[in-house]
Amino acid sequence: QSALTQPASVSGSPGQSITISCTGTSSDVGSYNLVSWYQQHPGKAPKLMIYEGSKRPSGVSNRFSGSKSGNTASLTISGLQAEDEADYYCCSYAGSSTSDNYVFGTGTKVTVL
Amino acid sequence: QVQLQESGPGLVKPSQTLSLTCTVSGGSISSGSYYWSWIRQPAGKGLEWIGRIYTSGSTNYNPSLKSRVTISVDTSKNQFSLKLSSVTAADTAVYYCARTVGFGEFFDYWGQGTLVTVSS
Repeated sequence: QSALTQPASVSGSPGQSITISCTGTSSDVGSYNLVSWYQQHPGKAPKLMIYEGSKRPSGVSNRFSGSKSGNTASLTISGLQAEDEADYYCCSYAGSSTSDNYVFGTGTKVTVL
Repeated sequence: QVQLQESGPGLVKPSQTLSLTCTVSGGSISSGSYYWSWIRQPAGKGLEWIGRIYTSGSTNYNPSLKSRVTISVDTSKNQFSLKLSSVTAADTAVYYCARTVGFGEFFDYWGQGTLVTVSS
């Protein structure tokens, strides 16, 4: 199972909106509405930002939103803030009838200009 | 508030077995529809799911690591553990334990991570 493909970096100015793509295959992203997104600041553990494609955990800003079309999931950050500067990873369930598996994305570094 | 904490040796020799334990606090490891996963991250690289366990003892492993991985659980201690055999330098990484929500298939609580270096 190959890693999901994300752009290496995305940047934006404060207040702008950015979108991070996450491209998989019909065996993972395309088969399930089970994509999650994680924010990771340097030296810290990942933090859940979006689950089941578009749901936000309690406490996560509504500036973060998720969507999916075909084999590609997306994370949009609106009203970009300095604190949003971090690495972001998507993850998809990639199970089959014989095994369970999860595949992460390659990661995207978000820079706030 | 659930908290997870990894523990174990920070240095392992090549060809030996890496052993880590994750202690769960703030809730019972046996409650709810949760799995308990191990995930790792080499320095400067992305995340890789290693495997998960349910409190019944049922396990699932990443096919790429399956031959070398064993995950076990001790409900009496509210802990679960990872063993990775025949390690090489490529296994050097920060290892995280995480609570996995079943059906939704996402990781909602993570430990702070522990660096394991494979070196002689």
